[in-house]
Amino acid sequence: NAGVTQTPKFQVLKTGQSMTLQCAQDMNHNSMYWYRQDPGMGLRLIYYSASEGTTDKGEVPNGYNVSRLNKREFSLRLESAAPSQTSVYFCASSEVRDNEQFFGPGTRLTVL
Amino acid sequence: GQQLNQSPQSMFIQEGEDVSMNCTSSSIFNTWLWYKQDPGEGPVLLIALYKAGELTSNGRLTAQFGITRKDSFLNISASIPSDVGIYFCAARYSGGYQKVTFGTGTKLQVIP
Repeated sequence: NAGVTQTPKFQVLKTGQSMTLQCAQDMNHNSMYWYRQDPGMGLRLIYYSASEGTTDKGEVPNGYNVSRLNKREFSLRLESAAPSQTSVYFCASSEVRDNEQFFGPGTRLTVL
Repeated sequence: GQQLNQSPQSMFIQEGEDVSMNCTSSSIFNTWLWYKQDPGEGPVLLIALYKAGELTSNGRLTAQFGITRKDSFLNISASIPSDVGIYFCAARYSGGYQKVTFGTGTKLQVIP
């Protein structure tokens, strides 16, 4: 089992560009999450999907959209990247909503 | 909103020493979780606590769920170089939406 995988690992964007971060899990988990991690801020929830077919906003959703493509995959889209979105993005999954979460390795995004 | 205050923010210790860190809040929680994040990786769950007063060990790690349900402690005995990383506490309140809140992390450095 690969657990939670994320692509890409690193990305540099210019302000205004768009991109999609991909996440997949092979643990048959129902719930998936997107977090961002900034120095001194811990992990902040952007969006989550409690089950296939549902998505909800977390603590810091502005500037992002998500798609729960199927049970395995949950993508995060930046429509018009801004320097404030420079961060490390983590995808996580859990068996049920907010149970123990398993994290991917992260995507390090820089917006110039 | 619910906040977790984690201390210390960072610490340097000598290999072989014991380490203590804690997480406190003004809110009551029903579950406490401790994660470790290695440099360049995603957080990995170390210990989960479900009951006030519970003391749980995982190898050299021991964590406790505070009696007041507002705090938790993590101890590492006989530290080794691979203990280096950031340790996050997280907590969940089981009432309505079971949102998980993360602390800001304790960065641990071990001097060989």
